[in-house]
Amino acid sequence: SQQGEEDPQALSIQEGENATMNCSYKTSINNLQWYRQNSGRGLVHLILIRSNEREKHSGRLRVTLDTSKKSSSLLITASRAADTASYFCATDKTSGSRLTFGEGTQLTVNP
Amino acid sequence: DTGVSQNPRHKITKRGQNVTFRCDPISEHNRLYWYRQTLGQGPEFLTYFQNEAQLEKSRLLSDRFSAERPKGSFSTLEIQRTEQGDSAMYLCASSLIRGPRETQYFGPGTRLLVL
Repeated sequence: SQQGEEDPQALSIQEGENATMNCSYKTSINNLQWYRQNSGRGLVHLILIRSNEREKHSGRLRVTLDTSKKSSSLLITASRAADTASYFCATDKTSGSRLTFGEGTQLTVNP
Repeated sequence: DTGVSQNPRHKITKRGQNVTFRCDPISEHNRLYWYRQTLGQGPEFLTYFQNEAQLEKSRLLSDRFSAERPKGSFSTLEIQRTEQGDSAMYLCASSLIRGPRETQYFGPGTRLLVL
């Protein structure tokens, strides 16, 4: 069964707007990672945040982690049509162990 | 290209046949993972190796599934007596033990359709 749950399941925005996706999980974690998947393709790693970190940035991406609420958010600023994809959060309990994925958020950025 | 590669990319088979997939990890990576993803869902863990040792298997990995990594490099995943419920994308990932920020890098996947 999936530990993570992403919210919303689907998000449609206009190019240039910001997109925020949320992820909740149930048990304690070591790392939380976000991946992107274009339709029918493999997963691309976006960003990793450790359980003792609260916020990380990478380019147009900003990730926050609240371990007290067991939740994370991914913010994509100034979205582009090329950002259209499914976004998944994934957690591990120890470094290098299995990843447990959520069900993903389907993001559509309209040009 | 030094990323994770998987072959074949697509496989169509009839129910009851055996299929085998191959994964070539990033060359210096010592951990290799298999996941399965069905339409509209996130990937689900199947098994993983550290070098040639299989360290963990999911309960999803029934006795019809077997995975090997004989020399600690490439890995194969075999499904015997395929069933329609085996239709899915099979994803391979690899990582290098480097401490607390270990990242898994995924291949393009093998899409299996069982008729």
